[in-house]
Amino acid sequence: GAVVSQHPSWVICKSGTSVKIECRSLDFQATTMFWYRQFPKQSLMLMATSNEGSKATYEQGVEKDKFLINHASLTLSTLTVTSAHPEDSSFYICSASRPGPYGYTFGSGTRLTVV
Amino acid sequence: GENVEQHPSTLSVQEGDSAVIKCTYSDSASNYFPWYKQELGKRPQLIIDIRSNVGEKKDQRIAVTLNKTAKHFSLHITETQPEDSAVYFCAASRGGREKLTFGTGTRLTIIP
Repeated sequence: GAVVSQHPSWVICKSGTSVKIECRSLDFQATTMFWYRQFPKQSLMLMATSNEGSKATYEQGVEKDKFLINHASLTLSTLTVTSAHPEDSSFYICSASRPGPYGYTFGSGTRLTVV
Repeated sequence: GENVEQHPSTLSVQEGDSAVIKCTYSDSASNYFPWYKQELGKRPQLIIDIRSNVGEKKDQRIAVTLNKTAKHFSLHITETQPEDSAVYFCAASRGGREKLTFGTGTRLTIIP
């Protein structure tokens, strides 16, 4: 079946530093990648949508200069949290889709802790 | 944009009984409705989905019903087991490359 590999699974960083999260589709071409954030005991909230080769579309309230998304190829999308602050601590998870009745394939998630 | 409401937020049922979780959506163009089970710190796991051309779908102990006119869909779990304890999310999408909007989640606890 379709697999999306997400790394790192967890990361601790200092305030003010940047962190990059990668999602790779291993056996299919992810034409669209969705990035979600999930705070404890809450639902998955969509941050942005990226289509391969295009600029990402951000949801209302999500700072595009803080959360940089790159989707340069059909198998790799990255989310960079810049100048991280403790309030950015959360569970970040990607989800890939492709044309056709295939649904959505989720990465394993990244637990980010900013100290 | 799409808005998905989910009820109840918590649900406790005796082992062997049935559990029902309900969702409503707002976007009449939505045509794909998956249900996910999520354990702490893990990715959502698809347990069943339904598309708008179908009113009901069943997979062993799990079933989903869809009422497009009323814009609501429900998850039914029968003969519940302790391993069914988890957080369940409904979601809705226009399908294809369109975004998936999640409900608020239901914490299901099965009491042995």
